[in-house]
Amino acid sequence: KAGVTQTPRYLIKTRGQQVTLSCSPISGHRSVSWYQQTPGQGLQFLFEYFSETQRNKGNFPGRFSGRQFSNSRSEMNVSTLELGDSALYLCASSTSGSGGDTQYFGPGTRLTVL
Amino acid sequence: AQSVTQLGSHVSVSEGALVLLRCNYSSSVPPYLFWYVQYPNQGLQLLLKYTTGATLVKGINGFEAEFKKSETSFHLTKPSAHMSDAAEYFCAVSRRRGNQFYFGTGTSLTVIP
Repeated sequence: KAGVTQTPRYLIKTRGQQVTLSCSPISGHRSVSWYQQTPGQGLQFLFEYFSETQRNKGNFPGRFSGRQFSNSRSEMNVSTLELGDSALYLCASSTSGSGGDTQYFGPGTRLTVL
Repeated sequence: AQSVTQLGSHVSVSEGALVLLRCNYSSSVPPYLFWYVQYPNQGLQLLLKYTTGATLVKGINGFEAEFKKSETSFHLTKPSAHMSDAAEYFCAVSRRRGNQFYFGTGTSLTVIP
């Protein structure tokens, strides 16, 4: 099976712009989670989608949003970019998203905000 | 609330020496426990996980971890370090309900030839 794919791999934006990141989960996986990774804060949970519904949300401002499509592909959007949004954004998929499910991670999208 | 503590943000070992990376969790109910490895410019790869059953869990690349409920620990070990083990290692927990992961701050492993 193909792994989790994320596009684009690298992105450079300027402050105030918005950005959309895409994630294609492993075939058959219905849960998609997003994480932000920075040197200072480590890995922080953004949100999780299951069957097109946001099921869990981390402690991020409303500028961070996401959605999931009927084929389980997911996108996350960040509006009004700030310098502090520069990070590696990781997407992870799992079969049902229930406790104990392994999350399989994509390679990430490296976002740089200038 | 869940939290994960990884003692030692940087660990250096000689090639062939024992690798020991520490992870402690705080939870009133034992969670599910995971170890992931991250190589530069890559995502996270699962090394091993504990859900139920045998408390000594074997993973890929010769790594293993032991769940000790009394110590709320899930330390990762490997008997003999290899140069290719140099990477960032993350301990994570997820609750019995839901699938939100809580990650430790990571331990960077350096292997000295």
